[in-house]
Amino acid sequence: QQQVKQSPQSLIVQKGGISIINCAYENTAFDYFPWYQQFPGKGPALLIAIRPDVSEKKEGRFTISFNKSAKQFSLHIMDSQPGDSATYFCAASIGDTGFQKLVFGTGTRLLVSP
Amino acid sequence: EAGVTQFPSHSVIEKGQTVTLRCDPISGHDNLYWYRRVMGKEIKFLLHFVKESKQDESGMPNNRFLAERTGGTYSTLKVQPAELEDSGVYFCASSQDPGARETQYFGPGTRLLVL
Repeated sequence: QQQVKQSPQSLIVQKGGISIINCAYENTAFDYFPWYQQFPGKGPALLIAIRPDVSEKKEGRFTISFNKSAKQFSLHIMDSQPGDSATYFCAASIGDTGFQKLVFGTGTRLLVSP
Repeated sequence: EAGVTQFPSHSVIEKGQTVTLRCDPISGHDNLYWYRRVMGKEIKFLLHFVKESKQDESGMPNNRFLAERTGGTYSTLKVQPAELEDSGVYFCASSQDPGARETQYFGPGTRLLVL
């Protein structure tokens, strides 16, 4: 119940295309869903996050779509650029304890070809 | 402002040896987290410090792992004795507040290989 399932494992997209990464969860107590971006040799960095009371959040070229009934959320990268090539992790956490405990997906390696 | 730093960046040890990983959080961040990623798998929570106290250590794999945060500043994670399955990338993260939606800032990780 604590798992977050992420797909695909890897993704190749042409420059200018749309990258889509999907995640699914079982635990309905999750109430915060961040996406992290990790470049080689660096640690994961928060990219964008959403709460379940909204169905979509957009920040620049990055959009999270959230489907509460299906317990799924996805990251869309519009106009993908070579600089977006990185590993992306979805995550979820439960807020009622007052402390954040992140549960991560397995990661998606994105390669944007020039 | 300096980010989260971790030392060493890489460590190769033999099974049965001891390794100590260090994490320096962002200055002023009371909350410090340890995570581990085994190759190709998810990043897994190990434990959470609030200042020098262990708030949650439910993710620690077994008693071969010992985390400390003396004085509420830097933290160490000791693995003794190391086993092959301990290989992976160990990340440290810190946050100013413990809140459920507070951003955690990650260090670059320590890549541990146990032979």
